[in-house]
Amino acid sequence: DSGVTQTPKHLITATGQRVTLRCSPRSGDLSVYWYQQSLDQGLQFLIQYYNGEERAKGNILERFSAQQFPDLHSELNLSSLELGDSALYFCASSPRQGPNYGYTFGSGTRLTVV
Amino acid sequence: QQPVQSPQAVILREGEDAVINCSSSKALYSVHWYRQKHGEAPVFLMILLKGGEQKGHEKISASFNEKKQQSSLYLTASQLSYSGTYFCGTEEPINTDKLIFGTGTRLQVFP
Repeated sequence: DSGVTQTPKHLITATGQRVTLRCSPRSGDLSVYWYQQSLDQGLQFLIQYYNGEERAKGNILERFSAQQFPDLHSELNLSSLELGDSALYFCASSPRQGPNYGYTFGSGTRLTVV
Repeated sequence: QQPVQSPQAVILREGEDAVINCSSSKALYSVHWYRQKHGEAPVFLMILLKGGEQKGHEKISASFNEKKQQSSLYLTASQLSYSGTYFCGTEEPINTDKLIFGTGTRLQVFP
């Protein structure tokens, strides 16, 4: 157990639907990062939050949005789902912003869009 | 731009050594290394910072050439548990809020 909790572990939904993925960072970590990993592909950066504020964005689609709440947990919302959105979605956390800390990843949510 | 890793895949026997390279087209502030086993989360191995500081918690080593914007991961006396996909992640000096991962190197160690 890495200390980063992601729920649900698996999600199967139909095209056009909306889902919410949840992430609780490791205790004491203020930064949360979301990554998408398609089948046998690398990790694509989506978005980062630090202590409730959005700090960096990657190639996140307009259909996707995220937020970090006062208790530091984060949610990634995916709407108008398409088959191509099927992927593993990872959340990671680190103590603070900046380059001095390694990331701790959660076990991921496997999203299947049918 | 995504960092490029080489080789794309490596096959080793137990006890053999391997080097994995990571090259970026941009100036770097730090380089991270992670290992991911199939279907699992990436696990942090090491971070190398501009200026030479290195932080890690496993018995592996790495180098970071800031001028060449390259990093190399050295796996010596490989064990079966080393199998997995290795990713480098890079942070730029003016944008240290996000880690951009490389293309990945798949390593397989056989008995």
